[in-house]
Amino acid sequence: DGGITQSPKYLFRKEGQNVTLSCEQNLNHDAMYWYRQDPGQGLRLIYYSQIVNDFQKGDIAEGYSVSREKKESFPLTVTSAQKNPTAFYLCASSPLAGVWDNEQFFGPGTRLTVL
Amino acid sequence: ILNVEQSPQSLHVQEGDSTNFTCSFPSSNFYALHWYRWETAKSPEALFVMTLNGDEKKKGRISATLNTKEGYSYLYIKGSQPEDSATYLCALQMDSNYQLIWGAGTKLIIKP
Repeated sequence: DGGITQSPKYLFRKEGQNVTLSCEQNLNHDAMYWYRQDPGQGLRLIYYSQIVNDFQKGDIAEGYSVSREKKESFPLTVTSAQKNPTAFYLCASSPLAGVWDNEQFFGPGTRLTVL
Repeated sequence: ILNVEQSPQSLHVQEGDSTNFTCSFPSSNFYALHWYRWETAKSPEALFVMTLNGDEKKKGRISATLNTKEGYSYLYIKGSQPEDSATYLCALQMDSNYQLIWGAGTKLIIKP
């Protein structure tokens, strides 16, 4: 089955700890994205990557880091510098970067709770 | 900061009734307008992408229109069914880099 997987579904961490959220896709998509969702708000872009070994900051990158060492993988690290990390995190991918009708495909999300 | 507004925030509709809701945005200078459906416990799925003023797209009982001059898009659902219950998201694509600006969504609940 082709798709995007995120793990784990639920994650609990103590304040001050870094945590890495996994995102893997086997759709052979070039571009990958990380979003954060908070109640009552639209999805906000954290980071995106259009090609392996390259990524750009989104609107709310502070306190987060990413890597794109392989085309199929785009892990997100939530660092202790992120002041309000408790949220729902969605990963997405799209076939081609820079194409206007480029549909995004989403993973099931990870709910992170920092205690 | 560009704001994409969706209204209403939530909507209860009787099964069999038709309904519509709105996505509004302040700019006419954008690349595309996207609609997604997000069912509970599932991932968001793309419904439509529209670019031209007057565009109308249809998928089964769901259709969408785009008015770029007045800055809004409508999503219509004809003869609502329980499986239509979901949050409907719209997003504005400002340039070819495919960064999307998302609305907060309209949560649609179909009452049997």
